[in-house]
Amino acid sequence: RKEVEQDPGPFNVPEGATVAFNCTYSNSASQSFFWYRQDCRKEPKLLMSVYSSGNEDGRFTAQLNRASQYISLLIRDSKLSDSATYLCVVNPPGGTSYGKLTFGQGTILTVHP
Amino acid sequence: EAQVTQNPRYLITVTGKKLTVTCSQNMNHEYMSWYRQDPGLGLRQIYYSMNVEVTDKGDVPEGYKVSRKEKRNFPLILESPSPNQTSLYFCASTQAPGLSNYGYTFGSGTRLTVV
Repeated sequence: RKEVEQDPGPFNVPEGATVAFNCTYSNSASQSFFWYRQDCRKEPKLLMSVYSSGNEDGRFTAQLNRASQYISLLIRDSKLSDSATYLCVVNPPGGTSYGKLTFGQGTILTVHP
Repeated sequence: EAQVTQNPRYLITVTGKKLTVTCSQNMNHEYMSWYRQDPGLGLRQIYYSMNVEVTDKGDVPEGYKVSRKEKRNFPLILESPSPNQTSLYFCASTQAPGLSNYGYTFGSGTRLTVV
């Protein structure tokens, strides 16, 4: 089983649509969780951290379910500029994995007019 | 502007010719790391450093070396590059690994081709 698994998509949605991405992780002791966005051939950029209580940033909502080891990202009112690859990222516990980000394969989103 | 700067952005080299990819951050971060990104394999950690003179192997360290003589710089060294090291490389840094409030800042990437 991969440490972090995402549905690779691609997701093709019209402008204004709501789209949800899911991610599961294997290490139950993982400490912190993120969604990153990566545009084609560019560096990943932090979209938002994910907290157990859930958190929202404008049109983006992230949820964490530790019991199910499941992370989600909801994008409302999709814009053309949201087209990108969305990476689910997990920071495992310390020891030899200290500080190491574990990346999912990424979910490709294309928003069309 | 807070940033991680990598150089060069693009590099084509021949097998066996030593090269160095530089990485510098201006945020006073203690933790720095190198990743490579390959189609179908995602991003994988090569080496990381928790502080000056403290480095350790990531998941795919073979064929690479690093050094951390100063806090801001973390160069990646390929002593004898081979074609299987053709990849997109990212340097990243963070203030506090393991804490949800602190994400990682990535450099713009170095696209390396070894022929």
